[in-house]
Amino acid sequence: KNEVEQSPQNLTAQEGEFITINCSYSVGISALHWLQQHPGGGIVSLFMLSSGKKKHGRLIATINIQEKHSSLHITASHPRDSAVYICAVNPNQGAQKLVFGQGTRLTINP
Amino acid sequence: EPEVTQTPSHQVTQMGQEVILRCVPISNHLYFYWYRQILGQKVEFLVSFYNNEISEKSEIFDDQFSVERPDGSNFTLKIRSTKLEDSAMYFCASRHREVDTEAFFGQGTRLTVV
Repeated sequence: KNEVEQSPQNLTAQEGEFITINCSYSVGISALHWLQQHPGGGIVSLFMLSSGKKKHGRLIATINIQEKHSSLHITASHPRDSAVYICAVNPNQGAQKLVFGQGTRLTINP
Repeated sequence: EPEVTQTPSHQVTQMGQEVILRCVPISNHLYFYWYRQILGQKVEFLVSFYNNEISEKSEIFDDQFSVERPDGSNFTLKIRSTKLEDSAMYFCASRHREVDTEAFFGQGTRLTVV
């Protein structure tokens, strides 16, 4: 069983739509990360959170520690948001490493 | 903005050859990592490195793999005798502290073993 599960695996939407990507995890964690991977392969950190909610521009990340669940929201989506969004966690055991979800491929059509 | 740099961006090697993937982490970071991503699969942890020694490694990181920080700035991953299944994107990452800090990733090295 994967320790980090994301849904959906693929998401296609029209420009301007509100996007939600979900992440569930099965282990105790010290932090959860949302990352963005562009077609060229590079990975960029979007958020790191251990409680509550964070906002950066049109991106919002929330986490519910009790339910072991996090969501990434994109408001007013734009074609340049098209990328793979990855959820990753720092498990309490082996806290240094990141354990990754399989990613959500987001495509925003103009 | 500081960044993690990796070289080369793409390397093609013959099966059985040794390869060295290079990374320059952010200068004041203390924790260094290698991850890999086989095409179409999720990113997997290989090894973490702190205070000039390996602090954790995965089952993937067998005797064919080694890491080194030879000169205080570079962080290298060596694969001694490459196999076809080593073909993947390899990412270097660094963090300032062990926990509660953001991980910064390099752009990756795409390794193709033929």
